[in-house]
Amino acid sequence: GQQLNQSPQSMFIQEGEDVSMNCTSSSIFNTWLWYKQEPGEGPVLLIALYKAGELTSNGRLTAQFGITRKDSFLNISASIPSDVGIYFCAGLPLDFGNEKLTFGTGTRLTIIP
Amino acid sequence: DTGVSQDPRHKITKRGQNVTFRCDPISEHNRLYWYRQTLGQGPEFLTYFQNEAQLEKSRLLSDRFSAERPKGSFSTLEIQRTEQGDSAMYLCASSRTLAGGTDTQYFGPGTRLTVL
Repeated sequence: GQQLNQSPQSMFIQEGEDVSMNCTSSSIFNTWLWYKQEPGEGPVLLIALYKAGELTSNGRLTAQFGITRKDSFLNISASIPSDVGIYFCAGLPLDFGNEKLTFGTGTRLTIIP
Repeated sequence: DTGVSQDPRHKITKRGQNVTFRCDPISEHNRLYWYRQTLGQGPEFLTYFQNEAQLEKSRLLSDRFSAERPKGSFSTLEIQRTEQGDSAMYLCASSRTLAGGTDTQYFGPGTRLTVL
């Protein structure tokens, strides 16, 4: 099935560094979501974006809904060990009644001691 | 804890056997979704329900797969005659309908299926 283009695929950073990842699509989305998944668990919602151009923060996390509606980015400032995991973007299409989330391929974040 | 729950968390079965998974959504959520996630990939949509009505099914959902939500609360996903390619994490999510659209989807912990 379709998956969004998410980059980078993996990141190796030191504790305290800032992290940036992005997600692009060939089609327009009405909603962008960012989830984090840890091994053996389901995705946990981090940030939801509902409006083009919207910039939303959740603690050290900041995400933006691209103005073209075809992209989004997530920033994590001052990373800590518990940030380790796989981060997924997900989009909800523009057409009314279409409830299928399309996910990105994920960005695996590893923190080097 | 009032989040989405799934049972079992892990299932190992032999090829050809039938398996059934259960999902209990967040209590006030009228929409329930099933996704499948294989290693190294993001979740892929399988099907979703509004109350007890199954509104959409993905082409990924072959004839061996059936999902039900008989009373509009919990849901079951059954896979008949399992194949090794069915090995994956099966995720359930729920959401509620809002006046201007639908709230975000909240996921359960998943059921990891291994078909030997």
